[in-house]
Amino acid sequence: AQTVTQSQPEMSVQEAETVTLSCTYDTSESDYYLFWYKQPPSRQMILVIRQEAYKQQNATENRFSVNFQKAAKSFSLKISDSQLGDAAMYFCAYRSAAGTYKYIFGTGTRLKVLA
Amino acid sequence: DAGITQSPRHKVTETGTPVTLRCHQTENHRYMYWYRQDPGHGLRLIHYSYGVKDTDKGEVSDGYSVSRSKTEDFLLTLESATSSQTSVYFCAISAAVGGTDTQYFGPGTRLTVL
Repeated sequence: AQTVTQSQPEMSVQEAETVTLSCTYDTSESDYYLFWYKQPPSRQMILVIRQEAYKQQNATENRFSVNFQKAAKSFSLKISDSQLGDAAMYFCAYRSAAGTYKYIFGTGTRLKVLA
Repeated sequence: DAGITQSPRHKVTETGTPVTLRCHQTENHRYMYWYRQDPGHGLRLIHYSYGVKDTDKGEVSDGYSVSRSKTEDFLLTLESATSSQTSVYFCAISAAVGGTDTQYFGPGTRLTVL
């Protein structure tokens, strides 16, 4: 069975600095998708970025980018120029490209942004 | 916005009572999901549906049942609520965006079982 691990329960970053959140996963599959979701205090789950495993190029969305290391089964999220609005819980998620459309989530990392 | 609503948004109930949470979507997505979110556990899948009357269990399905009689509605029922089912419940759909299916979430329901 696939698993997703986020080993950092909490992290802090100074405003305007860069922070990297870690995510590792375990799978025997070769084709899958990876996602980062943000959950601010409003509780709404918001998609931040996604990565297809068959793509070697790392995904980017404005200030958010990933470092996808397929062999190491690592999928970290880098937030550049951190803003106060980035403070939230961040969840990493995995979905197989085959079979059922089931998503597996990590336990989350709480990011604090210090002014 | 994937057009997902959940009702109620908050509910307080007593142990042993039945509870039904409703998820409604407006865009005819095939896949719908129910998760619960608890501190230290992230999101855990309860049940999911891949079509009308087609459902399957997730990792924490004990004590929960679901029904999907229409594409747009996915109901989660706690037959006899227990305090361990106090949680925040999220409904989600899977939609293709840019060629890749991605989950989008409803606003969540906070359920307290006394």
